[in-house]
Amino acid sequence: AQSVTQLGSHVSVSEGALVLLRCNYSSSVPPYLFWYVQYPNQGLQLLLKYTSAATLVKGINGFEAEFKKSETSFHLTKPSAHMSDAAEYFCAVSDRGYNKLIFGAGTRLAVHP
Amino acid sequence: DTGVSQDPRHKITKRGQNVTFRCDPISEHNRLYWYRQTLGQGPEFLTYFQNEAQLEKSRLLSDRFSAERPKGSFSTLEIQRTEQGDSAMYLCASSLRAGLTTGELFFGEGSRLTVL
Repeated sequence: AQSVTQLGSHVSVSEGALVLLRCNYSSSVPPYLFWYVQYPNQGLQLLLKYTSAATLVKGINGFEAEFKKSETSFHLTKPSAHMSDAAEYFCAVSDRGYNKLIFGAGTRLAVHP
Repeated sequence: DTGVSQDPRHKITKRGQNVTFRCDPISEHNRLYWYRQTLGQGPEFLTYFQNEAQLEKSRLLSDRFSAERPKGSFSTLEIQRTEQGDSAMYLCASSLRAGLTTGELFFGEGSRLTVL
């Protein structure tokens, strides 16, 4: 069955520090993987996606993620956190028919000065 | 604004009442999705449409829930005889027919339901 596990419901980093948000997936077919961000009182926005092309995917706002099949992981990173990165981040995997997304529980990122 | 719009943004109702949410997708998008999000959880899939056809419904969509997309444009999600457990954010998203191949669902800001 398709599923996503996000390790750590809350992550706190200092401004300028590395951001690492963890996502592990389970999929019975080659997966499509996504990271979305949700700012307060806003809809989910796509950060980046993996759809079987390059395994290192670059997204908006300096974020990137690497697809590692052997580890069934798709962790999100950013070299230097900004205060504006504070938000909730969701990892998602496509279903077996590539028709819909299955989301993880989310990780809330706090950035402190 | 050409994004996905949802109405109302907030709805407070008493247990047992019926509520209806509306979603207007991006105009050229053929697929429309409904998700539900509760506090501390990620969005959970409810149902999706390809044009006017409802192609899949989640087990979460009990008999009290009904979704329609007449003429393949806007969609409505109705909840009958609301229960406190229905309190959640209801999210609508749309995509092109090959949305997941190109990789993106576009989400609205959601309709928050509070059942007293």
